[in-house]
Amino acid sequence: AQKVTQAQTEISVVEKEDVTLDCVYETRDTTYYLFWYKQPPSGELVFLIRRNSFDEQNEISGRYSWNFQKSTSSFNFTITASQVVDSAVYFCALKVLNQGNYGQNFVFGPGTRLSVLP
Amino acid sequence: NAGVTQTPKFRVLKTGQSMTLLCAQDMNHEYMYWYRQDPGMGLRLIHYSVGEGTTAKGEVPDGYNVSRLKKQNFLLGLESAAPSQTSVYFCASSYEGEAFFGQGTRLTVV
Repeated sequence: AQKVTQAQTEISVVEKEDVTLDCVYETRDTTYYLFWYKQPPSGELVFLIRRNSFDEQNEISGRYSWNFQKSTSSFNFTITASQVVDSAVYFCALKVLNQGNYGQNFVFGPGTRLSVLP
Repeated sequence: NAGVTQTPKFRVLKTGQSMTLLCAQDMNHEYMYWYRQDPGMGLRLIHYSVGEGTTAKGEVPDGYNVSRLKKQNFLLGLESAAPSQTSVYFCASSYEGEAFFGQGTRLTVV
């Protein structure tokens, strides 16, 4: 069975602070994808990044960076110099690929609500 | 590009009423999913489909039925709505990579 844990339920920071959102996953499979999604107050789910299990390179995109460590089963997300527009709920998700006809289902963590205060 | 479209966006039902939520995608994706989102619980999979004419149960299927008669459409039905089904419902589609989500349907059962 697969599981995604996001231990931080809510985080509040002041604008321009750096913040890291934690994600820990569980799976016995060796081939999988990890994802981060953003859900702003308007409610839609916005895809941020995908990382496959064979690629442990960290990734940076503007103020966003992701640290994938298979040794600790973690896929953490850092926002540098946070802005009010970063306020949202962030979801980490796991998809195991070797499921045959079982649909490559996504397993989501419970989400972390980030509030960036001006 | 429309992507994934859900209708309706909002609905209020009385206990015992039935309704159908429609999801349409124009990306030719094989996989489609219905999730419900409740506070503090993330997204939970209700039913999914791996292709036209196929459906399967997810984590929380009770009280729901689905159909995928056409590849681009995935319907979610509530046969007899209950207050416990008050939630935000998201449809998604995918191929090999990430899921693309619809805008969500906020359903209230009174």
